[in-house]
Amino acid sequence: QSVLTQPPLVSGALGQRVTISCTGSASNIGGSFNVHWYQQLPGRAPKLLIHTNNNRPSGVPDRFSGSRSGTSASLAITGLQAEDEADYYCQSYDSSLSGSWVFGGGTKLTVL
Amino acid sequence: EVQLVESGGDLVQPGGSLRLSCAASGFTFHSYWMTWVRQAPGKGLEWVASIKQDGSEKYYVDYVKGRFTISRDNAENSLYLQMNSLRAEDTALYYCARAHDDFWSGYCGSWGQGTLVTVS
Repeated sequence: QSVLTQPPLVSGALGQRVTISCTGSASNIGGSFNVHWYQQLPGRAPKLLIHTNNNRPSGVPDRFSGSRSGTSASLAITGLQAEDEADYYCQSYDSSLSGSWVFGGGTKLTVL
Repeated sequence: EVQLVESGGDLVQPGGSLRLSCAASGFTFHSYWMTWVRQAPGKGLEWVASIKQDGSEKYYVDYVKGRFTISRDNAENSLYLQMNSLRAEDTALYYCARAHDDFWSGYCGSWGQGTLVTVS
């Protein structure tokens, strides 16, 4: 059971918009700790997609955007493309116990 | 170009030990926090440990505390993970990653390709 909860599966048609949620609690996202998102293509290492809630590293298309509100965060992908089919993970810091980084369980995005 | 190359993964019996290494290049190694993240077969990402630029602060996920030790050699641009008392549930692909910001707001900006640890 991950500290950050993501839907296991999300799907969308080519060109559509999808969102992936990441739900936490007062000790992580709700405590105003930053949320980051990673994309992992099949058989590849993860890649940073969004950092510090809503910032795209250079080279990441502006079709990808992030937001955070309360104890949740979301990743939005517009204009879905076939190459977006991948696993997506959110990550934050959790202040409970001795403090740690926490990842969501991951969401597999299928492009129809 | 940032490069992170892990090595040291192997098949080991339960209770055994392994030392993972990560050779870094293409950036000023001593200026960054560094992190190990693992991924069990078919599972999600799991943070394992992080170390500050000068090695003065180290943080671990609870279930590796006392068994794993993260360290670094800034002169050699290398990151290490000493893993003792290995268990079957430690079986995973271990990624070395360069972290950005401090520990409380940090994230992994660059990742290696991983090294596979199998405990059986």
